[in-house]
Amino acid sequence: DTEVTQTPKHLVMGMTNKKSLKCEQHMGHRAMYWYKQKAKKPPELMFVYSYEKLSINESVPSRFSPECPNSSLLNLHLHALQPEDSALYLCASSPPRFGTVSSGYNEQFFGPGTRLTVL
Amino acid sequence: AQTVTQSQPEMSVQEAETVTLSCTYDTSESDYYLFWYKQPPSRQMILVIRQEAYKQQNATENRFSVNFQKAAKSFSLKISDSQLGDAAMYFCASYNNAGNMLTFGGGTRLMVKP
Repeated sequence: DTEVTQTPKHLVMGMTNKKSLKCEQHMGHRAMYWYKQKAKKPPELMFVYSYEKLSINESVPSRFSPECPNSSLLNLHLHALQPEDSALYLCASSPPRFGTVSSGYNEQFFGPGTRLTVL
Repeated sequence: AQTVTQSQPEMSVQEAETVTLSCTYDTSESDYYLFWYKQPPSRQMILVIRQEAYKQQNATENRFSVNFQKAAKSFSLKISDSQLGDAAMYFCASYNNAGNMLTFGGGTRLMVKP
């Protein structure tokens, strides 16, 4: 399995809803990422998990809550979102360079994204 | 902090011709990597090519090659024999080992004319 999968592909939710985005990879990658991407803009980093621990949180509002249950799975829990949160949400993963966390990571592999619309 | 700049918001090329997309970057790190990612309208971000900063030889992947000028901090992408399927947004990105973060440029939208 050489890909990153994301579900659902599309999600429409109201501002009072609670929903979750799911990301999965079975390539043995030990870093996983959530990005938010607006139309015609580059992805903006939200969170980084390294060896299942949250290592980077780019000052994301608390209505976004990440979770990494194991080395293959990454979730993004959504609650009380605003219409401006509508965007494409991308997940990515990357392998450790030399097998240890201290050696850094190689290039990131992206999933197809979840198109989120908040009404 | 790293910055990546793509000065061409849009480019167009005739099918079968060659096009070069520009990218400049700034970093104080000595160990870093540079990438070109392609994002078609279907939206999945695909890695096109990578370059390790310590390597002097320019990377090549089939019709895609880079011109890496380390002193000038320039990293351009050349697409030869352009195909309709090359139409996409292209993002230049840098990655430094210490930060474990990709820094993206603003993107260049490439259109391929039949």
